[in-house]
This record gives sequence, C-alpha cells and structure tokens, in this order.
Amino acid sequence: DTAVSQTPKYLVTQMGNDKSIKCEQNLGHDTMYWYKQDSKKFLKIMFSYNNKELIINETVPNRFSPKSPDKAHLNLHINSLELGDSAVYFCASSHWTVNTGELFFGEGSRLTVL
Amino acid sequence: AQSVTQLDSQVPVFEEAPVELRCNYSSSVSVYLFWYVQYPNQGLQLLLKYLSGSTLVKGINGFEAEFNKSQTSFHLRKPSVHISDTAEYFCAVRANDYKLSFGAGTTVTVRA
Repeated sequence: DTAVSQTPKYLVTQMGNDKSIKCEQNLGHDTMYWYKQDSKKFLKIMFSYNNKELIINETVPNRFSPKSPDKAHLNLHINSLELGDSAVYFCASSHWTVNTGELFFGEGSRLTVL
Repeated sequence: AQSVTQLDSQVPVFEEAPVELRCNYSSSVSVYLFWYVQYPNQGLQLLLKYLSGSTLVKGINGFEAEFNKSQTSFHLRKPSVHISDTAEYFCAVRANDYKLSFGAGTTVTVRA
C-alpha cells in the first residue's frame, strides 16, 4: 500500500486552464503539505494543513487553492495556469509535533504547462 | 527564519569511494536537522535526522552525519558508495515554526 499517493502523476495542459492534483495518505498523520520543486530541483513549501486547518500559507499566487476535506486528504487546485507553474508538486504528511519533523512524501505530480 | 546552504551542487564519485556532502545552516534558534534522498523520478525519503543528543547520527543505507553547532554544519558521509547511491540529496532544517526548509540539493553520481 502506498503511504502517500498523488494523482495524477503526469499532467500536461494548456495555459489558462484549471487543473487539480489530489493527495491521500494512509499513515494516520494529522498534517499534510504541498511542496513545489522547480526545474533546478529547489523545493519550496506552499501550504500546510493540520487537522483540516490551514497553518502554513507561503507567498503563493491566489490562483493556487488548497482544500483539505479531511485529515487524510489534501488537494491542490490551480486556476488560470501559467508557463511558470510547470514543476513537480509533492504532497507530504507528518505528525503534528515539533520533536520529529520527518515528512513522508508522495512520488510527485509533474505538471507541464504549454 | 532559518536557511540552508549545500556547498556542493554536484559530486561525482567512483564506486566504493567515500563521499561527503556539506551542509551549513543559519538560524537564531535551536533547530532540527535532516538529510533526505530523492532517487530519480521518486519522492523524497528520510536518510537521517538530528533532534538532540549525540552529534553523530546514523541513518539508512550506511549514511551518517555529524552535527557541529559551533560551525552550524550538518555534513553527510558514507565510507563506501554504491552505484545505487546515485541520487539527489537534500539537507533540511526545521525550527519551531513547523516549516521544513530545504537546501538546493546535491547531485551525487556514482561511477563504476
């Protein structure tokens, strides 16, 4: 069983479209994250939810909207896609505690905007 | 806020040779330190972490790292690498703001 699963794994779309990426974890964690990895492999946090509550919201365009229907799911919706949105988006999960910080990552969703 | 600097962007190494990946961090508060590995076309997985206690921490796949508070470093080492260690390695730091900040990554290429 995959611990953190993301769908779709690959997404190719045109500029201006709206798309969503879904994430589910079966680890019983209460915190989930979205990270963006650019073409130079730099990883930057976008959002984090703890028990369905938004706790980290970095400087991300309003076109990006996360939604957490429950603790096990965190989806990412992107409106009006731009070329610069092309990247690999990683979902991750963890326990809400300062003393660990270990994140479990999905395999990533590669978004290509043409 | 904390930041992470990985001093080597690419490290080519021959099989069975030792490797060291350098990581420095800056933070005004106590931090927790991590090394993650990303194999091609996969997500990240934890290699090892330093939370407290012994400054030498051992991880999976024969890797170890040493926390040096005075030098604000957390270098990763392996005495003998395998072809399968070819991957991207990320150093990360987390303070009490619950954010995990990553370095830019080091690409390790192991050659026969």
